Amino acid sequence: DTGVSQNPRHKITKRGQNVTFRCDPISEHNRLYWYRQTLGQGPEFLTYFQNEAQLEKSRLLSDRFSAERPKGSFSTLEIQRTEQGDSAMYLCASSSPGPRNTEAFFGQGTRLTVV
Amino acid sequence: AQSVTQLDSHVSVSEGTPVLLRCNYSSSYSPSLFWYVQHPNKGLQLLLKYTSAATLVKGINGFEAEFKKSETSFHLTKPSAHMSDAAEYFCVVSDGSTSGTYKYIFGTGTRLKVLA
Repeated sequence: DTGVSQNPRHKITKRGQNVTFRCDPISEHNRLYWYRQTLGQGPEFLTYFQNEAQLEKSRLLSDRFSAERPKGSFSTLEIQRTEQGDSAMYLCASSSPGPRNTEAFFGQGTRLTVV
Repeated sequence: AQSVTQLDSHVSVSEGTPVLLRCNYSSSYSPSLFWYVQHPNKGLQLLLKYTSAATLVKGINGFEAEFKKSETSFHLTKPSAHMSDAAEYFCVVSDGSTSGTYKYIFGTGTRLKVLA
């Protein structure tokens, strides 16, 4: 399968614990995005990488959240001191360079439940 | 900033009848618009995209959408619903960002139910 891969698919954690998610984009895509989707809502933009550079972060991304893409390939999203409000589906997407109408390809997401 | 509004949170149709999912956009310039579908436990899949080459856009699985600038709409239609069309549908606009590239702005989604 050459699509966007996310691991784990599901994560249950206790409040206050740290969690890390991984995203492997399509190999030739230099753009990588993280989104968060809560129940009944559309995905919301969190952050964007072009190669290894993190070029934009949403105000939704509090200082407990950090994302990296160390070699311009896979990316990790870490949440420190998780809170119940962090429970959501975390989606990763990648795209090739291009204009505004370039398609982004999405992974199946990591569903986080904070108990 | 650009935005999209999906006018119906839920739509129910009978199998074999037409589907209409409504989307209005707000944009200060010519938008790039998309429709994505999300089946349970599956990733978001692109149905179609508007690229300004043609106002009527054909997508996968028999879906199409018409861009109407005068109405600021980009409604999704299908002539005949199939049971496998039951899913969540998102209207999306690509917005410019401070980094000089683009990010997606999603609508709140429309859940399509297909009745046998």
